[in-house]
Amino acid sequence: DAGVTQSPTHLIKTRGQQVTLRCSPKSGHDTVSWYQQALGQGPQFIFQYYEEEERQRGNFPDRFSGHQFPNYISELNVTALLLGDSALYLCASTQGTNEKLFFGSGTQLSVL
Amino acid sequence: LAKTTQPISMDSYEGQEVNITCSHNNIATNDYITWYQQFPSQGPRFIIQGYKTKVTNEVASLFIPADRKSSTLSLPRVSLSDTAVYYCLVGVVLNAGNNRKLIWGLGTSLAVNP
Repeated sequence: DAGVTQSPTHLIKTRGQQVTLRCSPKSGHDTVSWYQQALGQGPQFIFQYYEEEERQRGNFPDRFSGHQFPNYISELNVTALLLGDSALYLCASTQGTNEKLFFGSGTQLSVL
Repeated sequence: LAKTTQPISMDSYEGQEVNITCSHNNIATNDYITWYQQFPSQGPRFIIQGYKTKVTNEVASLFIPADRKSSTLSLPRVSLSDTAVYYCLVGVVLNAGNNRKLIWGLGTSLAVNP
C-alpha cells in the first residue's frame, strides 16, 4: 500500500517562473493538505482540498493555487516565484474526519 | 486557534527516557493533542494522539493532566535514530473537509547522543 507520494522530489526555478507540484494521497484518503516549510521552521498550512474544492486556506497570497482531481490527486501551483518561496513543500492526506495526517517526503523547491 | 509552546531543543543519551512537555493553555473542549516526528528532508510522521489522561502505543506515551493545559510526550529508552524534531499540535477535525487549521510551531529538536 503506497503512502503519500510527491513529485518531483527536487526542483530548481528562477524568479518569476511558475511551478506545479503533484501529490498522490495515500490509498483510501480523500483530503489533501499542502504545507510550506522553510529551513528551521515548522510547516505552514497553505490550503486543504476535499471533494475537489478548496476548503481551508492559510495566509498565503493568490500566487498559490491548487487543484484536486476526482481521483483525489492534488496539485499545487505557484506563479511569479520569489526567492522567499524556496522551501520544502509538503503534502499530507487523511480520510474524512480522521485527525491523523500522513505526509509525503516533500518537494524541495529552490528559487534562484 | 490553540497555540502551543515547547522547548526549542533537548539533549539526551541512548537508553534514557525523554519527556517533552508542551503547553497549550487555550486548548478548546473539542481539541485533541497530536504529536509528530520529523527527520531532516522528510515529512512529519504521526506519533501519538490523545484527549485526556494517558495514551500509550508501541512508540511513545502521552500524558495529559486533568486541566489539559499541557501534555508530555514520553519516549522510552531513546536511540540515536530518535534524533529528530518533535511537534505538538492541538486541534480537531469538525467534519470532513472542514479541518481546523492546525498551527505548527518550531517544534523541539531532540538530539540523542551515544
